[in-house]
Amino acid sequence: QSVLTQPPSVSGAPGQRVTISCTGSSSNIGAGYDVHWYQQVPGTAPKVLITGITNRPSGVPDRFSGSKSGTSASLAISGLRAEDEAEYYCQSYDSRLYVVFGGGTKVTVL
Amino acid sequence: QRRLQESGPGLLKPSETLSLSCNVSGDPIATSAYYWGWVRQPPGKGLEWIGSIYYSGATFYNPSLRSRVTMAVDPSKTKFTLQLISVTAADTAVYYCARQVAWGGWFSAYFDPWGQGTLVSVSS
Repeated sequence: QSVLTQPPSVSGAPGQRVTISCTGSSSNIGAGYDVHWYQQVPGTAPKVLITGITNRPSGVPDRFSGSKSGTSASLAISGLRAEDEAEYYCQSYDSRLYVVFGGGTKVTVL
Repeated sequence: QRRLQESGPGLLKPSETLSLSCNVSGDPIATSAYYWGWVRQPPGKGLEWIGSIYYSGATFYNPSLRSRVTMAVDPSKTKFTLQLISVTAADTAVYYCARQVAWGGWFSAYFDPWGQGTLVSVSS
């Protein structure tokens, strides 16, 4: 069971907007630590998508955006495209456990 | 070009020691803003952080694995290593090495880039 909780799956039609939640606690997200997001296409290594809650590294489309409120963070994908079908993970720091990941969310494009 | 490459045995027997290396090219390991980490992913499951090391040799381990894990930076400063003792089938996973970018400090570090990963299977 992961310290950061994500829904197992979300889906949407092409062009739609989907959001993925990442729920933590007062020892990680709620303590003010940064949240980062990764995209993992099957058979490949994860790739960083969002850093420091809202920052997009160079080359990441602006369709991807991050936010945070209280003990939770969210990743939004707008204008959903077929190539967005992948597994998405959130990651943060925990005062007791150091580096923690969410369990992952599979995004399906209908 | 910045690149990380894992290497090591792909098949182990229970109770043996897992030893992996991560060769780093295009980036000096001895950079103050970087840590160097290991993350694993059991087949069909999510990501699990194993541990991280700073170029000075300071280490941070996942509490659930701490008793079995040792990480080190090679004296050449071009690679870092992972040892996991007393492996069981539960340690079967793809093992990734990755650079941790910590411009804002250890607490804000994120993984980028990642190596391609290496599958380690534990079976008798």
